Amino acid sequence: EIVLTQSPATLALSPGERATLSCRASHGVSTYLAWYQQKPGQAPRLLIYNASNRATGIPARFSGSGSGTDFTLTISSLEPEDFAVYYCQQRSNWPPEVWTFGQGTKVEIK
Amino acid sequence: EVQLVQSGAEVKKPGESLKISCKGSGYSFPDSWIGWVRQMPGKGLEWMGIIFPDNSDTRYSPSFQGQVTISADKSINTAYLQWSSLKASDTAIFYCARQNNWGYMDVWGKGTTVTVSS
Repeated sequence: EIVLTQSPATLALSPGERATLSCRASHGVSTYLAWYQQKPGQAPRLLIYNASNRATGIPARFSGSGSGTDFTLTISSLEPEDFAVYYCQQRSNWPPEVWTFGQGTKVEIK
Repeated sequence: EVQLVQSGAEVKKPGESLKISCKGSGYSFPDSWIGWVRQMPGKGLEWMGIIFPDNSDTRYSPSFQGQVTISADKSINTAYLQWSSLKASDTAIFYCARQNNWGYMDVWGKGTTVTVSS
C-alpha cells in the first residue's frame, strides 16, 4: 500500500499570503495524484487531478505540481474561503486496487 | 445536474446490521466507478473501496476487506455500503463519490453519519 505523507500538519497564514502544501508518496505514483479541499461540515471537493490539472470551476490561484514521489499544492494568494483542510490522494493503479489519502493539512488563519 | 444523494443519518446499537445508500442522477450511473470514503470524528479521509455498477466489479482497501460490503443496483442507479455487525468504532461519516474519467472523485454525496452506541 502506498502511504502519502502530508506536511505541514497545520499552516497558519494570513489572507493574501502564499500557501505551499507538500505531499510525499512512499512509492512513485507518476502523476496520478489529486488534491481535495474540505471545509467543516462539508464533503470534500476535487481541486487538482493528475498532479497539475485544475478541476472544473477551480480558481487559477490553485496550482499543483510534482511527479513520482513529491507533490506540491500552491495557493498563490489566500482568500478567506480557502481556509480549510487539504488532502492529497493517489490512484496509481488502474483498474483500482488500493487508493489512499494523505492525512491532511489544515490551513488556518494566522 | 450530476449529483449523488445519500441516505439519512443512522443511530444503531453494536451488533446490529446496516445498509446505507447512494443514488446517482444526471449521468450514466452504470458507467462510472463509485467509491466510498470514511471519515471518523475529527479525523481524515480513508479510502474504503470502489465498485463499477455496470458489472459490480468491486475492490476493497485491505483495511476494510471483510468488514463491509459494497454493492450496487444499476437498475435504480444506487450503490450501497453495508455492515453485518456494527461496532462502536464504525461511528463515522461515510461519503460516496463518483470517479471521473481520470479516476478521481469529482462528485461527492453529502455524507451519511452513522452512530453506533449502546
